[in-house]
Amino acid sequence: GNSVTQMEGPVTLSEEAFLTINCTYTATGYPSLFWYVQYPGEGLQLLLKATKADDKGSNKGFEATYRKETTSFHLEKGSVQVSDSAVYFCAVSGNTGKLIFGQGTTLQVKP
Amino acid sequence: NAGVTQTPKFQVLKTGQSMTLQCAQDMNHEYMSWYRQDPGMGLRLIHYSVGAGITDQGEVPNGYNVSRSTTEDFPLRLLSAAPSQTSVYFCASSYSSGKETQYFGPGTRLLVL
Repeated sequence: GNSVTQMEGPVTLSEEAFLTINCTYTATGYPSLFWYVQYPGEGLQLLLKATKADDKGSNKGFEATYRKETTSFHLEKGSVQVSDSAVYFCAVSGNTGKLIFGQGTTLQVKP
Repeated sequence: NAGVTQTPKFQVLKTGQSMTLQCAQDMNHEYMSWYRQDPGMGLRLIHYSVGAGITDQGEVPNGYNVSRSTTEDFPLRLLSAAPSQTSVYFCASSYSSGKETQYFGPGTRLLVL
């Protein structure tokens, strides 16, 4: 079945630092890829997505590019803020339509 | 629109008790799903539904039952609670499949003693 592997956290950065959270996936067919974010005490919400190879999803300064050749969808942001502190989940949805999540990466940004 | 609502917010059960976690959405979404969130495990899919009367198993279905009699509601039943089912449970919905944006409820925190 489909699966997702994320880099382990927690990731601790200073404000304005560059962020990368690695995500690789296994899936058959032509999956869609997602990043969801969970702020403290809340449910998950979509951050960005990409539906085909070489697509770049972007939102709120975050970006991720769908790399089929390396089966990756790494999340990046050029300058993080304290308000970006949250748990970030990579997810894949394949031909069955089921959405499978990675284990999540906690990001803490210090002033 | 209320979006996706879940009740209760918090529940304590004793081992062997049964209960139903409620989930409802008012967006006329066909696809609904249940996840459990455990530390270090991310979200794991329990059951999902692609429409009224149609349900299927996810990654961790054992110990849970679902049914989908209406488009709006997708309750999750714990048949005989076990301490291993202590978790935070999230319900989500989308227009037609997991390939679309999922809208999550606020979660139900369950403690099984």
